[in-house]
Amino acid sequence: AQSVTQPDIHITVSEGASLELRCNYSYGATPYLFWYVQSPGQGLQLLLKYFSGDTLVQGIKGFEAEFKRSQSSFNLRKPSVHWSDAAEYFCAVTGTASKLTFGTGTRLQVTL
Amino acid sequence: NAGVTQTPKFRVLKTGQSMTLLCAQDMNHEYMYWYRQDPGMGLRLIHYSVGEGTTAKGEVPDGYNVSRLKKQNFLLGLESAAPSQTSVYFCASSYSIAGGADGYTFGSGTRLTVV
Repeated sequence: AQSVTQPDIHITVSEGASLELRCNYSYGATPYLFWYVQSPGQGLQLLLKYFSGDTLVQGIKGFEAEFKRSQSSFNLRKPSVHWSDAAEYFCAVTGTASKLTFGTGTRLQVTL
Repeated sequence: NAGVTQTPKFRVLKTGQSMTLLCAQDMNHEYMYWYRQDPGMGLRLIHYSVGEGTTAKGEVPDGYNVSRLKKQNFLLGLESAAPSQTSVYFCASSYSIAGGADGYTFGSGTRLTVV
């Protein structure tokens, strides 16, 4: 069965600092991988996705993620965090004929 | 530009009451989903539908029923609400079951409290 692990429940970074959110997945074949962001009181918005090809994918709001098959990871990065990036971030995995499975989320706090 | 619309946005129920949550999408998506979100547990799939007239169970289906009589609507029912069903409920839709190029499109959620 597919699964996603986000080992960090809560992360605090200073505005302007770099960010990396970890995501490890379990899936038997080549996965489709996603990162979503949820602002307080809102639904989830797609940040970026990986289907195939280039393992470094670019998303909205200056985020990027790198797929590393050998490590079963899909970590999300941003070079310089803005206060508006404070939110909860979810990693998700699926296959070609499977439903999306979400991780438990990482809450990002940004200090000024 | 509505996307996925959920009603109501907030509701308080007494234990044992019933209610229906409505999800409507205007993107002509075949696939629709109901998730619940609880602190520390992420999103868990309750039920989903692969097309008009179809429904299927997800991870946590007990205590819920669903219907998809029209392609654009996906209803989630609680027949006899319990405090354990206090949660935030999200509806989502997608072009394909794997999400495809646009992933899943989510509604803004319904916050349900059962007292």
